[in-house]
Amino acid sequence: GENVEQHPSTLSVQEGDSAVIKCTYSDSASNYFPWYKQELGKGPQLIIDIRSNVGEKKDQRIAVTLNKTAKHFSLHITETQPEDSAVYFCAAHNFNKFYFGSGTKLNVKP
Amino acid sequence: SAVISQKPSRDICQRGTSLTIQCQVDSQVTMMFWYRQQPGQSLTLIATANQGSEATYESGFVIDKFPISRPNLTFSTLTVSNLSPEDSSIYLCSVGRGTSGGAEDTQYFGPGTRLTVL
Repeated sequence: GENVEQHPSTLSVQEGDSAVIKCTYSDSASNYFPWYKQELGKGPQLIIDIRSNVGEKKDQRIAVTLNKTAKHFSLHITETQPEDSAVYFCAAHNFNKFYFGSGTKLNVKP
Repeated sequence: SAVISQKPSRDICQRGTSLTIQCQVDSQVTMMFWYRQQPGQSLTLIATANQGSEATYESGFVIDKFPISRPNLTFSTLTVSNLSPEDSSIYLCSVGRGTSGGAEDTQYFGPGTRLTVL
């Protein structure tokens, strides 16, 4: 089955700096890659996603890039704010299932 | 997107008892999914619930321990039976929302049910 690895497990940045979270996947058949933000005590919230026919997608301060050849995709957050502090999960969709990364705890220091 | 509610939001249960979690969606969906998230961990799929048929369980999860009902296209329940402290987790309901309403669509999650077993 699919294996999704996510790095780093924790990330601390200064407010205003950029944050990058990286994920790799193992199965080239995976075709859809969402990113979720989970705040304490809440369910995961979809923040951005990308499909395998697209290399990059941007939504305001958030962007996702996908390299199908290398089987990796990344989340980029620019101009980070304290409210960006949360746990972020990547996922890969493969044969009707989602496989989640282990999560990255992002701490944005004011 | 999808508006998903879960009840209860949290509960503390005694060992050996059961807890039933309800999931309600704001519109009809083909598939509903139940996940478990152990403390500080990622999400693990328990089962997929289709309306009018038996739920499909993932490896390591069995119907006797996690019975699921799906009486209509907007509602599902997950029961966690014969509770032990190892069942202490967050249980999440999710739905697919897209062109086909199936597992390949964008998934949205409910707020979760935080279960503590003493």
